[in-house]
Amino acid sequence: DTEVTQTPKHLVMGMTNKKSLKCEQHMGHRAMYWYKQKAKKPPELMFVYSYEKLSINESVPSRFSPECPNSSLLNLHLHALQPEDSALYLCASSPAGTEAYEQYFGPGTRLTVT
Amino acid sequence: SQQGEEDPQALSIQEGENATMNCSYKTSINNLQWYRQNSGRGLVHLILIRSNEREKHSGRLRVTLDTSKKSSSLLITASRAADTASYFCATDVLFSGGYNKLIFGAGTRLAVHP
Repeated sequence: DTEVTQTPKHLVMGMTNKKSLKCEQHMGHRAMYWYKQKAKKPPELMFVYSYEKLSINESVPSRFSPECPNSSLLNLHLHALQPEDSALYLCASSPAGTEAYEQYFGPGTRLTVT
Repeated sequence: SQQGEEDPQALSIQEGENATMNCSYKTSINNLQWYRQNSGRGLVHLILIRSNEREKHSGRLRVTLDTSKKSSSLLITASRAADTASYFCATDVLFSGGYNKLIFGAGTRLAVHP
């Protein structure tokens, strides 16, 4: 199974809502990533988890809260978002080790904040 | 933040023609990767080229890397309508925690017309 799944595919939320994005992989990868992508722009790294520990936080606002409950799951909790947070949120995973590896991306969650 | 620039930003060609995309980057890298993204979907890995490699092939794809010029190119030969997508280069830095950080270029939007 070489697939990264993300749910939901689409999410519309108000600025006072709390919601969560979910990402799952069963490839045994120990590195997992969240990216944010605005229209016609490249993906921008938000967070990296390595062996279930937060390893990189790219100065992301605290209204985004990542969680890695186990080696297969990655969540992104959303609270009090702003309209400018509307974007495609991509999850990715890769093996963790001393070699360079490709990252496997999920299809993304299209988030609209109203 | 973006690592570098890609050119052209957009490329429109006929089926059967070759497509060349260029990528420049700013800092030292471990490796460079190329990804494809169909409209509004997840990214798909194409090729990883290590910093000590100069050229790599995969099917109709040919990637070159010139570390002295901090540049890379992706050539797609005998293009097909199904190659229509956005193409991103990503510089790749490996961290001791076993994960790699990708920083994407701005991307080239390729349209292949039947």
